[in-house]
Amino acid sequence: EDQVTQSPEALRLQEGESSSLNCSYTVSGLRGLFWYRQDPGKGPEFLFTLYSAGEEKEKERLKATLTKKESFLHITAPKPEDSATYLCAVQGTSYDKVIFGPGTSLSVIP
Amino acid sequence: GAGVSQSPRYKVTKRGQDVALRCDPISGHVSLYWYRQALGQGPEFLTYFNYEAQQDKSGLPNDRFSAERPEGSISTLTIQRTEQRDSAMYRCASSPPGGQRNEQYFGPGTRLTVT
Repeated sequence: EDQVTQSPEALRLQEGESSSLNCSYTVSGLRGLFWYRQDPGKGPEFLFTLYSAGEEKEKERLKATLTKKESFLHITAPKPEDSATYLCAVQGTSYDKVIFGPGTSLSVIP
Repeated sequence: GAGVSQSPRYKVTKRGQDVALRCDPISGHVSLYWYRQALGQGPEFLTYFNYEAQQDKSGLPNDRFSAERPEGSISTLTIQRTEQRDSAMYRCASSPPGGQRNEQYFGPGTRLTVT
């Protein structure tokens, strides 16, 4: 069964303290891996799509990377406004549905 | 421009009643997804439309749940004979055609409470 797990469940960082969030996935054939940001009380907001191992995408202080089994979301010198839940999701080649992981709740302390 | 809208934003209903949740996607978006999200969890896939065609309904929990998108735009998720376990946040997302088709734009959700 295709699935997505994320770690850690929660992460607390000091402002400027870089770190990485992990997304591990099992899928029979990967069509795409997605990262979303979700602020409290709001819907998820699209960040990145990664299609193949070795691919990297960057946006401001965020960089997403992909291997055959994992994706990492690297956060460089985070600011308090980066505090949110970060969701990872996958879509397989044999179906259209998107499978989300449980998310990592990030808190950046000034 | 206008984003994905959902109505109502909050719905309280009694057990056994039917409810209809509405999603109005971004204009021009051909793909539409319905999800259910529990507190502290990621969205759980329910069903997917491409234009007016329901391509995948494998995530609908049982036959009390149904969805339609008759003209390829607005979609309605209907839950019949609601039960307390149906209480959750229901989210809709739409995607544009072409190269950005994997980018989903989510609505604010409908919070359903079944008493």
